[in-house]
Amino acid sequence: AQTVTQSQPEMSVQEAETVTLSCTYDTSESDYYLFWYKQPPSRQMILVIRQEAYKQQNATENRFSVNFQKAAKSFSLKISDSQLGDAAMYFCAYRSAKTSYDKVIFGPGTSLSVIP
Amino acid sequence: DSGVTQTPKHLITATGQRVTLRCSPRSGDLSVYWYQQSLDQGLQFLIQYYNGEERAKGNILERFSAQQFPDLHSELNLSSLELGDSALYFCASSADGQFYNEQFFGPGTRLTVL
Repeated sequence: AQTVTQSQPEMSVQEAETVTLSCTYDTSESDYYLFWYKQPPSRQMILVIRQEAYKQQNATENRFSVNFQKAAKSFSLKISDSQLGDAAMYFCAYRSAKTSYDKVIFGPGTSLSVIP
Repeated sequence: DSGVTQTPKHLITATGQRVTLRCSPRSGDLSVYWYQQSLDQGLQFLIQYYNGEERAKGNILERFSAQQFPDLHSELNLSSLELGDSALYFCASSADGQFYNEQFFGPGTRLTVL
């Protein structure tokens, strides 16, 4: 069965610095999707970035980028120039690309604090 | 504001009871997703509807059911409630049924079962 692991329950970063959140997953499939979601104190879930497994190029969205290592089954999130508004819970998620397989697996989350 | 609305915001009920959570997707979105976030289970995908039909099913219990109506709003029905059903229930919507496409989440309904 697929699993998603986030080994850092809590992390902190100085404002304007860079931080990397780790995510590893286990799957026997070759085609899948990976996501990072942000959940600020308001509790509303927000999609940060997504990656299709068949794409070699790492996804980037403004200050957010990923390091996708398919062979190592690793999908880390890098936040550059951290801002106070980045403080939130971050969830890594896996979803099979098979339309007949509907499971979505979330990691346990990493709580990120931003220090002014 | 994502454009997805959920009612009620908070719900307190007793074990054994039945409740209905309501979700209105963003204007024009055809797909609705339901998620559960609890301390014990973490974040879980429950079920997805697309244009009135069930599209994908995740970790949804048999005591739970959902439907999407012709006006595209959705309801999640939880019955024979147990203490462990206490959680934050999210609804999300997307333009089409492709899970890869961005989903917009509502603010959630906080369910407390006493």
